[in-house]
Amino acid sequence: DAKTTQPPSMDCAEGRAANLPCNHSTISGNEYVYWYRQIHSQGPQYIIHGLKNNETNEMASLIITEDRKSSTLILPHATLRDTAVYYCIVRVDTSGGSNYKLTFGKGTLLTVNP
Amino acid sequence: DAGVTQSPTHLIKTRGQQVTLRCSPKSGHDTVSWYQQALGQGPQFIFQYYEEEERQRGNFPDRFSGHQFPNYSSELNVNALLLGDSALYLCASSLERGLGHLFFGQGTRLTVV
Repeated sequence: DAKTTQPPSMDCAEGRAANLPCNHSTISGNEYVYWYRQIHSQGPQYIIHGLKNNETNEMASLIITEDRKSSTLILPHATLRDTAVYYCIVRVDTSGGSNYKLTFGKGTLLTVNP
Repeated sequence: DAGVTQSPTHLIKTRGQQVTLRCSPKSGHDTVSWYQQALGQGPQFIFQYYEEEERQRGNFPDRFSGHQFPNYSSELNVNALLLGDSALYLCASSLERGLGHLFFGQGTRLTVV
């Protein structure tokens, strides 16, 4: 799986958009970009994933650059409950396969301030 | 839906002892993975079970072993515990067939003294 690079920490004001960057310059054509977050003392929680098109769900938006070497997770209106470590992960998804291993880095600690 | 459940939530063991951690996957999921998370680090993949067999394994010694039962629940066993085995152990479930993401449990906090 390709390696990712994320800033160790970021701050955001409550109610503002939080934009979390991730570099994955060695990503392969068949690797997806996944985002998970981990609130203190809880298990990681899936947020969103994408291959090359931008994606949006009820939690966040994912913007992937055209060359796929970087992406940005956007939380449109951050709340105090969004304070967590955010992990950007790239991995191959094979339908019918068994390769669901996730390789976590240290992630970005996002602190949402009142 | 109870999601992924793990037991116990906390555990204290002595160096050299053996420990068994348990996991029940999310309803409808047939694949279970285990991760170890040391303090301040991201989770590290231990192994994955599907159809009662170990399908993938991370860089962990043979002291770490597992089992999956016909009802898809799973156990993680660690023998000859070391102080360095102190960590949060996370279980995640998923569907084997098709694209998808992992659902994680709350973890078991193991402390080896």
